[in-house]
Amino acid sequence: QQQVKQSPQSLIVQKGGISIINCAYENTAFDYFPWYQQFPGKGPALLIAIRPDVSEKKEGRFTISFNKSAKQFSLHIMDSQPGDSATYFCAASKNFNKFYFGSGTKLNVKP
Amino acid sequence: GAVVSQHPSRVICKSGTSVKIECRSLDFQATTMFWYRQFPKQSLMLMATSNEGSKATYEQGVEKDKFLINHASLTLSTLTVTSAHPEDSSFYICSACRDTGELFFGEGSRLTVL
Repeated sequence: QQQVKQSPQSLIVQKGGISIINCAYENTAFDYFPWYQQFPGKGPALLIAIRPDVSEKKEGRFTISFNKSAKQFSLHIMDSQPGDSATYFCAASKNFNKFYFGSGTKLNVKP
Repeated sequence: GAVVSQHPSRVICKSGTSVKIECRSLDFQATTMFWYRQFPKQSLMLMATSNEGSKATYEQGVEKDKFLINHASLTLSTLTVTSAHPEDSSFYICSACRDTGELFFGEGSRLTVL
């Protein structure tokens, strides 16, 4: 059973637009929800993360929105730039013992 | 952010040989490291959890005799692909979990078995 479901699989956004990637999870025991950015041929890099005790976290142009009751969380990239073009993975963890990853979203920001 | 170094970044080997990949946490001690395998355009598949000073915990379907993991110190974990075959060709990525819970990834190692 897939623990974390991610959508969309791919996303095309114009420069300056807002990119939104969604994830849903099953296990209510998860207590840590990070997002990773991966460029081709590179390892994923931690972008931003949230705990379930807050509904939103913002770092620069990146915002995580968290809906505990719906068991969903999303990544918003404001003022999207061509340099943001990458694959994004959401993840969930319980006590940092094991991380479950979404299937990834390939973002293409058109200039 | 924390730095996790992975080496080598690329390796090409002949079928039947063994390949060792190193993963080091450069600025923090990691009691737990994870090894992932990633196929093109796919997500990260957890292979095993490496714990310092103890045996690794392998995910279902991962051959522990094929993929040997050693976590000899708090900053080093190694993955050895034994008797590699072309189907083992993949992108292998390690990650280390620091005491804050944040998970940091290495740059990955591209293995090509001829």
